[in-house]
Amino acid sequence: EDQVTQSPEALRLQEGESSSLNCSYTVSGLRGLFWYRQDPGKGPEFLFTLYSAGEEKEKERLKATLTKKESFLHITAPKPEDSATYLCAVRGLQTGANNLFFGTGTRLTVIP
Amino acid sequence: EPEVTQTPSHQVTQMGQEVILRCVPISNHLYFYWYRQILGQKVEFLVSFYNNEISEKSEIFDDQFSVERPDGSNFTLKIRSTKLEDSAMYFCASISGGRETQYFGPGTRLLVL
Repeated sequence: EDQVTQSPEALRLQEGESSSLNCSYTVSGLRGLFWYRQDPGKGPEFLFTLYSAGEEKEKERLKATLTKKESFLHITAPKPEDSATYLCAVRGLQTGANNLFFGTGTRLTVIP
Repeated sequence: EPEVTQTPSHQVTQMGQEVILRCVPISNHLYFYWYRQILGQKVEFLVSFYNNEISEKSEIFDDQFSVERPDGSNFTLKIRSTKLEDSAMYFCASISGGRETQYFGPGTRLLVL
């Protein structure tokens, strides 16, 4: 069965204090690992898709990396507007044709 | 930029009542999904829909649920007889053919009393 575990559950950072969020996964035949941002009461907003170990993608202050067992979302010099819940999701051979299996997320708070 | 839209944003209903949640996927997308998120819990897959039929559904998607694409733009989720435990945020998502990324709507917050 597919498993996605995100850590930490919550993270408080000072503005400018860089850190990383972790997503550990177990999936039969990874067909994609996805990072989303979710603001309170809103839908998940797409950030990145990673397909194979060693792959990296960047967008502004965010950088996502992937190994065979986990993915990291690195946040460099975060700003208060980066405060949100960051969700990791996988799609694998067992997950289904296209549906995503989500982790519980990391709630990030960036303090000015 | 095209986006998925959902209506209503909030719905309050009595237990046992039927509700219909509506979604307008991105116009050139071919695959459609419903997910739900109970407060404080993770986003869970309900059903996927392609070529006017269900392609996959989860254990949550029982006989009380149904989906329909009544025209070229709308995609609906019907819950026939709501239960208290159906209270959740319901998200619609869509994906274009040949692509991988699902784009989510803003959600409908359903409260069953």
